[in-house]
Amino acid sequence: DAKTTQPPSMDCAEGRAANLPCNHSTISGNEYVYWYRQIHSQGPQYIIHGLKNNETNEMASLIITEDRKSSTLILPHATLRDTAVYYCIVRVAGTNAGKSTFGDGTTLTVKP
Amino acid sequence: EAQVTQNPRYLITVTGKKLTVTCSQNMNHEYMSWYRQDPGLGLRQIYYSMNVEVTDKGDVPEGYKVSRKEKRNFPLILESPSPNQTSLYFCASSLSRFGEQPQHFGDGTRLSIL
Repeated sequence: DAKTTQPPSMDCAEGRAANLPCNHSTISGNEYVYWYRQIHSQGPQYIIHGLKNNETNEMASLIITEDRKSSTLILPHATLRDTAVYYCIVRVAGTNAGKSTFGDGTTLTVKP
Repeated sequence: EAQVTQNPRYLITVTGKKLTVTCSQNMNHEYMSWYRQDPGLGLRQIYYSMNVEVTDKGDVPEGYKVSRKEKRNFPLILESPSPNQTSLYFCASSLSRFGEQPQHFGDGTRLSIL
């Protein structure tokens, strides 16, 4: 699986949009970009994923650049409960999809 | 309720005493996986299973065993636990083994090996 690079930490004001970047410059054509978050030591929670196109769901939006080498997770109106560690991972699709590698993630702190 | 259930949630034990952490999912998921998480680090994959009777090593398999005799269960076995296996463990499952579906995680098991 391709390696991802994320900033170690970010702050965001409550009510503002939080934009979390992820670099995955070695991504292959059959690799999905996934975002998860972990609040304290709870189990990671799935947020969103995509292959090529931008995606939106009730939690967030995922913007993937045209060359697929980077992506941005957007939380449109951050709340204090969005304070968490956010993990961006890439995962190959197909018969070799077993391995899954998480990096160190970005600690997002939402401030009042 | 669709969920991944791990037991026990907390365990303190001693070096060398065999233990099993159970993981069960009620979503008929094909893929299951075990991770460990140590302070300040992300999740590291221990073992994964693509289907019943199909398991393979992740990044940190040493000292662990797994089995997948039924689709819903994927126990993690520590035959002779050591203090360096003190960690927070997560089990995860995914509908598809082909990587295009997200993983759903359990609440975690905190193991302390003295």
